[in-house]
Amino acid sequence: NAGVTQTPKFQVLKTGQSMTLQCAQDMNHNSMYWYRQDPGMGLRLIYYSASEGTTDKGEVPNGYNVSRLNKREFSLRLESAAPSQTSVYFCASSERDYSSTDTQYFGPGTRLTVL
Amino acid sequence: AQSVAQPEDQVNVAEGNPLTVKCTYSVSGNPYLFWYVQYPNRGLQFLLKYITGDNLVKGSYGFEAEFNKSQTSFHLKKPSALVSDSALYFCAVSPFGNEKLTFGTGTRLTIIP
Repeated sequence: NAGVTQTPKFQVLKTGQSMTLQCAQDMNHNSMYWYRQDPGMGLRLIYYSASEGTTDKGEVPNGYNVSRLNKREFSLRLESAAPSQTSVYFCASSERDYSSTDTQYFGPGTRLTVL
Repeated sequence: AQSVAQPEDQVNVAEGNPLTVKCTYSVSGNPYLFWYVQYPNRGLQFLLKYITGDNLVKGSYGFEAEFNKSQTSFHLKKPSALVSDSALYFCAVSPFGNEKLTFGTGTRLTIIP
């Protein structure tokens, strides 16, 4: 039982390049989330998915797209990377759907630098 | 909209002393409150949560937190600090019935041997 896994762990991009961050969970959770962590700002929600086939915007969605490929996988895509997207990205999952708040379990993170 | 304040960016405590990491919140209705810990180069790990019931919540690694509705606070405590408790601690809140968490900015706890 690996929990939440993320790939890659580190990535350096040039401005304008695109990339996809991958996330998978093996806990059969319904909901999945993408956050970014910046110094002094805590974690901010980018997108979330309450169930397979559904996605919704969080607090800071601009410049990102997501895909809930199946129940296990939730990917985050940067179509044209900008230096402002330099951050640490965390994926998380939780068991329940919209109806209640449940404990979220986090992956190890992806450290992204955009030059 | 909900919000969380962690008023101290840094807390230093001597090993063996009690520790407190402060958190206050603002939310409409009844809150769900969480504490997470982040060790260097790792993801966040769940410590404890308050949903309802007893105001004193016990969690992992000997940590506990006290929910105070009148002061809208949810401070994290431990009776005797260990060097291994040194980490970044995040408080988070969600309104009842809404799964979107709002995180505080984090408090770096350093335990001094």
